[in-house]
Amino acid sequence: KNQVEQSPQSLIILEGKNCTLQCNYTVSPFSNLRWYKQDTGRGPVSLTIMTFSENTKSNGRYTATLDADTKQSSLHITASQLSDSASYICVVSGYNFNKFYFGSGTKLNVKP
Amino acid sequence: GAVVSQHPSRVICKSGTSVKIECRSLDFQATTMFWYRQFPKQSLMLMATSNEGSKATYEQGVEKDKFLINHASLTLSTLTVTSAHPEDSSFYICSAVAGANFYGYTFGSGTRLTVV
Repeated sequence: KNQVEQSPQSLIILEGKNCTLQCNYTVSPFSNLRWYKQDTGRGPVSLTIMTFSENTKSNGRYTATLDADTKQSSLHITASQLSDSASYICVVSGYNFNKFYFGSGTKLNVKP
Repeated sequence: GAVVSQHPSRVICKSGTSVKIECRSLDFQATTMFWYRQFPKQSLMLMATSNEGSKATYEQGVEKDKFLINHASLTLSTLTVTSAHPEDSSFYICSAVAGANFYGYTFGSGTRLTVV
């Protein structure tokens, strides 16, 4: 069964600290993995996208890693800011690019 | 690039009326568009997949007669919630993909529907 699991479900950190969010998937065959940031009441915005041959991708303070062998990905946020407070969603695409599998998201709360 | 515009961002309607939500790909041609529904504190739930010029494919449990989807052009898909009820109140989000280019997979900004 194709699934995407994210952890933790929620996370509270202090401003300026780093954090790492996890995404494990069982989607096979695998095509792409994308991390999205969703602010409350807004649509998700893409942060990074990785294919099976890429194992790291950065976008400013966001760095995503991918281990296609263990089917694990992580999103590392460096020097967190209050504006990083949002839900972070991991989306995995199977070989049929029209099929996307969503994680349930990690709710990040950055406090001053 | 790859911008998807969704309109309206918020709408309040009376029970029994219909509401239309538009999803437009502004700078690319979207061969496929997706419609999602999101309840508070939950992840996105795929409602239907629409391909330009053909009937939408609905996910199990989604009433096709209640949620009418039209994808008449490569840049526009619409979702019409017919005979809306308070339980239809939710956050609706569209996304679009251009052909086999996965990089064209982009979400709209969402529509908050409140049925009173």
